[in-house]
Amino acid sequence: SAVISQKPSRDICQRGTSLTIQCQVDSQVTMMFWYRQQPGQSLTLIATANQGSEATYESGFVIDKFPISRPNLTFSTLTVSNMSPEDSSIYLCSVGNNQPQHFGDGTRLSIL
Amino acid sequence: SQQGEEDPQALSIQEGENATMNCSYKTSINNLQWYRQNSGRGLVHLILIRSNEREKHSGRLRVTLDTSKKSSSLLITASRAADTASYFCATDVQGAQKLVFGQGTRLTINP
Repeated sequence: SAVISQKPSRDICQRGTSLTIQCQVDSQVTMMFWYRQQPGQSLTLIATANQGSEATYESGFVIDKFPISRPNLTFSTLTVSNMSPEDSSIYLCSVGNNQPQHFGDGTRLSIL
Repeated sequence: SQQGEEDPQALSIQEGENATMNCSYKTSINNLQWYRQNSGRGLVHLILIRSNEREKHSGRLRVTLDTSKKSSSLLITASRAADTASYFCATDVQGAQKLVFGQGTRLTINP
C-alpha cells in the first residue's frame, strides 16, 4: 500500500493567515483526496485533486478558501486561506487509484 | 451530506468481549469499507466488502453487508485494549468516485 507523508503534522496559526499543507506519496497515483475532520466529527471531503486538471470541490467548499495544487502524480498541496477559528480541524489527504484509500496521518490545525 | 449513519455513537466494553458496530447508508454502492482512527491520527483501512459479497473475515474482524437493507456491521471478537479507537464506515457510491463516511463509533475497551 502507498506510504503518505503529510506536513506539517500540526500547527497553531493566527486568524487571517494562510497555511499550506503538503502531501507526498511514495508511488504515482491518479486520484488524491483532501478531507476535513472537525473536532469530534467524521471526515468530510473537501475536494478531489487529479494531476493535470483543476480540483473538483464538494458542495460547501470553494477554491478561493481551499486552493489545491497537483503538480505531479506523487504530490499535492492544500492551502487553508484567511483562517478563522472555525477552520480548526484535522486535514487529511488520501490516495486511491483503486479502493481502498490510504491516508496520511493528518495535519492538526488550530487557529487562535 | 454524510450518507452513512453508524450506531452506536459510543461503545464501552470489557476486554475480551465482542464489539459490534452498525452502519446504514442510503444509495447504491460499489463497496463498503471500514476504517479505524486512533486518537485523531490518520485512518487505517481495515476491510473492504464489495456489493456482491455478504460476509468477509480478516483476523478478529467480521464484516457483513446487506444491500437490501443498505446496512453493514463490523464485529470485533475477543477485544483488546489496543482496539480502543474510532471506527468509521465509508461507502464507495456508484458513479461518484469518492468515499462518503459515516459518523463513526467511538469504541473503548476497558482492561
